[in-house]
Amino acid sequence: DQQVKQNSPSLSVQEGRISILNCDYTNSMFDYFLWYKKYPAEGPTFLISISSIKDKNEDGRFTVFLNKSAKHLSLHIVPSQPGDSAVYFCAASSYDKVIFGPGTSLSVIP
Amino acid sequence: DTAVSQTPKYLVTQMGNDKSIKCEQNLGHDTMYWYKQDSKKFLKIMFSYNNKELIINETVPNRFSPKSPDKAHLNLHINSLELGDSAVYFCASSQSGSGRHYRDTQYFGPGTRLTVL
Repeated sequence: DQQVKQNSPSLSVQEGRISILNCDYTNSMFDYFLWYKKYPAEGPTFLISISSIKDKNEDGRFTVFLNKSAKHLSLHIVPSQPGDSAVYFCAASSYDKVIFGPGTSLSVIP
Repeated sequence: DTAVSQTPKYLVTQMGNDKSIKCEQNLGHDTMYWYKQDSKKFLKIMFSYNNKELIINETVPNRFSPKSPDKAHLNLHINSLELGDSAVYFCASSQSGSGRHYRDTQYFGPGTRLTVL
């Protein structure tokens, strides 16, 4: 019963191009969404978040888009840099739970 | 001056043993968590704890128990270890107390890789 899905286990992008990471959720009670980035042998670190009252949030090179009707969010990284190579976790939360997706491994090729 | 630290980083042990993983946060946060990252890489919350309540994920076996000597520490005790307990365990903390903490940014420790032989 995967309530949060990241259907692309991996993604490769050329340096300077756009990276688009996708996340789908099933529970309409989720009202806050977060993206975390994880390097090998480290814990996840917070990247960006969005509330369900918004459809877009931007922070530098990172933008998260939320489509509530489709229960879909995406993370855009522009321009992609080699240091962005990591695993990206989507997380969906409500007042009583937080559920993480399985992650997407992004490789940015120089 | 690591914000969330865990010890040990690696733990190899035999089936049936009892072990503990320690976690400390120096952020002054009110809520701490334990997560298990299984072989399929899903991060699953096991416990969330603040000074008012312990919330346990109902799928967690009662062989697992969190112990909090104070607000800055949440240790994980595991009794009668089984092969399926092999995973990476992450401790995390967030600022808020109960009521909205699931929506908070969480700060994770580096993880403890547990291998049960």
